[in-house]
Amino acid sequence: AQTVTQSQPEMSVQEAETVTLSCTYDTSENNYYLFWYKQPPSRQMILVIRQEAYKQQNATENRFSVNFQKAAKSFSLKISDSQLGDTAMYFCAFMPRPGSSNTGKLIFGQGTTLQVKP
Amino acid sequence: NAGVMQNPRHLVRRRGQEARLRCSPMKGHSHVYWYRQLPEEGLKFMVYLQKENIIDESGMPKERFSAEFPKEGPSILRIQQVVRGDSAAYFCASSPASGDRLRYEQFFGPGTRLTVL
Repeated sequence: AQTVTQSQPEMSVQEAETVTLSCTYDTSENNYYLFWYKQPPSRQMILVIRQEAYKQQNATENRFSVNFQKAAKSFSLKISDSQLGDTAMYFCAFMPRPGSSNTGKLIFGQGTTLQVKP
Repeated sequence: NAGVMQNPRHLVRRRGQEARLRCSPMKGHSHVYWYRQLPEEGLKFMVYLQKENIIDESGMPKERFSAEFPKEGPSILRIQQVVRGDSAAYFCASSPASGDRLRYEQFFGPGTRLTVL
């Protein structure tokens, strides 16, 4: 079975500092996608960043970057220059590449609640 | 281009009643996914539909739950004879019809929070 594990239920960081959220996953697939979603108090799911498993280069989106270690099945999210608006729950998600046996459903971790302190 | 729309945003039902949750995908999207989020948990896949077809319902409870995505109109997630354990946030996501690179983009609606009294 494919699983996603986020081992940090809660984290906090001072404004302007850097924080890293951890995520590991388990799969026998070779082609897949990984995502980080943000869920603020409004509960809207917002895509933060995505990584395609066949790409060795780590994805970056402004202050957000990932450390993708395919052999270790690890996909951590680094938030630089943390802002108060980054306060939210963050979910790591895995998707096997859509195909005949994979329907493109997302498999989510349990989430990490991040509090950015002023 | 309007995003994914879900209504109602909040729904209160008493035990034994029926709940109908609606999802209008983004314009041009013909793939719809439903997920459920129990309190303090991550989202769990329920069902994947294309127009007039259920493609994958492996995450949906066998009883009381059903889903449809008609040729015209929104996708509907229906829960019959609701119980307190059905209280959760239900999210819909949509993705475009074709192309592997496009298929992995899922755009989420704001969710419907169902409370069963």
